Amino acid sequence: DAGVIQSPRHEVTEMGQEVTLRCKPISGHNSLFWYRQTMMRGLELLIYFNNNVPIDDSGMPEDRFSAKMPNASFSTLKIQPSEPRDSAVYFCASSFAGDGNTIYFGEGSWLTVV
Amino acid sequence: GQQLNQSPQSMFIQEGEDVSMNCTSSSIFNTWLWYKQDPGEGPVLLIALYKAGELTSNGRLTAQFGITRKDSFLNISASIPSDVGIYFCAGQLGGADGLTFGKGTHLIIQP
Repeated sequence: DAGVIQSPRHEVTEMGQEVTLRCKPISGHNSLFWYRQTMMRGLELLIYFNNNVPIDDSGMPEDRFSAKMPNASFSTLKIQPSEPRDSAVYFCASSFAGDGNTIYFGEGSWLTVV
Repeated sequence: GQQLNQSPQSMFIQEGEDVSMNCTSSSIFNTWLWYKQDPGEGPVLLIALYKAGELTSNGRLTAQFGITRKDSFLNISASIPSDVGIYFCAGQLGGADGLTFGKGTHLIIQP
């Protein structure tokens, strides 16, 4: 079975450019999470959706960050404009309430803003 | 906000030794989970704990959900080279909530 699929795996972009990260959750899962991982701050929850509805976006750093989930099989995390301090690994994860809420992670999108 | 304190930050051990790491929280969680992350990969779930006092094993791994619901430990017995990686504890309040992660324990095994 396919796991959580993220793209791109790696991106290097210049400061000020728009970055769009994409995620396809595991089929049938109804919760989707976006996390950011850095050496300094570890794994931080940015935002999560239940049944495509954003539930808690208190972890989103600032207005430059936005996330959407137009349907049950796709989500995007957008950074506009990007800054060097946004460099991190961004993970998407999904789960299904009823399966012990086990949360499965994708392999991450490695973002470098120069 | 909630914080998880995970210790130790890193461990340097010999192959075959047992490993113990733990997490404490400033507030209660209703679910505790332990993940392992290999370089270049996302975290992979090792053990999930759903009840206070619960002790669960998965092969050489054993984890416990503290009675106070504010702590958990993970033990690895007879470590092998493939155990190398970063181990994260995570707490969850409600079933549909996101996870709060500890900062991780880097496990390094010397042959």
